[in-house]
Amino acid sequence: DAGVIQSPRHEVTEMGQEVTLRCKPISGHDYLFWYRQTMMRGLELLIYFNNNVPIDDSGMPEDRFSAKMPNASFSTLKIQPSEPRDSAVYFCASSPGTSGVNEQFFGPGTRLTVL
Amino acid sequence: EDQVTQSPEALRLQEGESSSLNCSYTVSGLRGLFWYRQDPGKGPEFLFTLYSAGEEKEKERLKATLTKKESFLHITAPKPEDSATYLCAVLRSYKLIFGSGTRLLVRP
Repeated sequence: DAGVIQSPRHEVTEMGQEVTLRCKPISGHDYLFWYRQTMMRGLELLIYFNNNVPIDDSGMPEDRFSAKMPNASFSTLKIQPSEPRDSAVYFCASSPGTSGVNEQFFGPGTRLTVL
Repeated sequence: EDQVTQSPEALRLQEGESSSLNCSYTVSGLRGLFWYRQDPGKGPEFLFTLYSAGEEKEKERLKATLTKKESFLHITAPKPEDSATYLCAVLRSYKLIFGSGTRLLVRP
């Protein structure tokens, strides 16, 4: 199994530009999570999906952030327009989500720098 | 409010010097406590899940324990390859709430 796949691994953009981060979860996993990691705030959950449906987006910082999951094997996190304070590492994670609690498997992350 | 606090923030050990990392938590209705390891430039890697007070789990040189208020990650005779940031998280619904982590450096 290839694990969770994220692209790009690094993204440098200028303030005001649109940024799209991509994620392919582990096949068969019903839950997909987007996290953001910064030195100041640590690892924070932004949004999560169950069976492609957004369940909780309370962690999305502003309307500039949006996430979609058009099918079970693909999700995007979009920032429009981007700002320097969005600079962080963004992780995607997936979980089998069967009965009980299950560990989440993280991708390698996308390091975003907004100039 | 749910909260996870890890200590110390950073820990330096000599190879073979055993120690423990602490994770204290306040959460209503704990569904699980997770330990992850994160290497620089990589995503967190799952280590353990603990579900109830008194539970213990082991993996190589690592042993995780859980009480009603905190969890410990014991590292026995660490090696340089154990150097990493260790993250603790509690599960509420399907949301993981992470602590800020302990950066461990094991010197040869």
